[in-house]
Amino acid sequence: EADIYQTPRYLVIGTGKKITLECSQTMGHDKMYWYQQDPGMELHLIHYSYGVNSTEKGDLSSESTVSRIRTEHFPLTLESARPSHTSQYLCASSESGLAENNEQFFGPGTRLTVL
Amino acid sequence: RKEVEQDPGPFNVPEGATVAFNCTYSNSASQSFFWYRQDCRKEPKLLMSVYSSGNEDGRFTAQLNRASQYISLLIRDSKLSDSATYLCVVNLFGNEKLTFGTGTRLTIIP
Repeated sequence: EADIYQTPRYLVIGTGKKITLECSQTMGHDKMYWYQQDPGMELHLIHYSYGVNSTEKGDLSSESTVSRIRTEHFPLTLESARPSHTSQYLCASSESGLAENNEQFFGPGTRLTVL
Repeated sequence: RKEVEQDPGPFNVPEGATVAFNCTYSNSASQSFFWYRQDCRKEPKLLMSVYSSGNEDGRFTAQLNRASQYISLLIRDSKLSDSATYLCVVNLFGNEKLTFGTGTRLTIIP
């Protein structure tokens, strides 16, 4: 089993609130990722990081921001949640090295509903 | 056109049957390919990597056709526990990012 954790698992919140989705891994992986997935749809990469103090935007534009102050943590923040942010957010990590050899391990996800 | 394209299904297949999925990708220079499995309301998990020469893992066989830019997954002697969504995943540009297909939904019927 992968040692990657996400909290909360479910979050229902009102419009305009600031939220932080937590992601942590204990595998010592340098690379971490955030994906967004709507029901029945593909995963879209919204943020990734190659290591501490490295963050990049993914392929899908997102109003969220991320930080990578420690190797094991990669939190995602929404300053002002809106109903359009309702989705499932999946965090993943992988080892350094050749991209083609690196399995991405996923956390269980956070289901966010913004009312 | 999507960069990684799959037939979304659903495929409803009787237990014990053989089922095959295909997936096409847009970039001919793509280097690495994977099949992930995602159970309902769960996270994706790696099923198998896809190698140029084709590879097999038990009842599962993956193949790559670079000329036609598609990969395939074959499941033999299907079990009820094979019911899931199968995601075609491609490292399109040789960097750290993976591109996921929409997934093909498979239901094995007793």
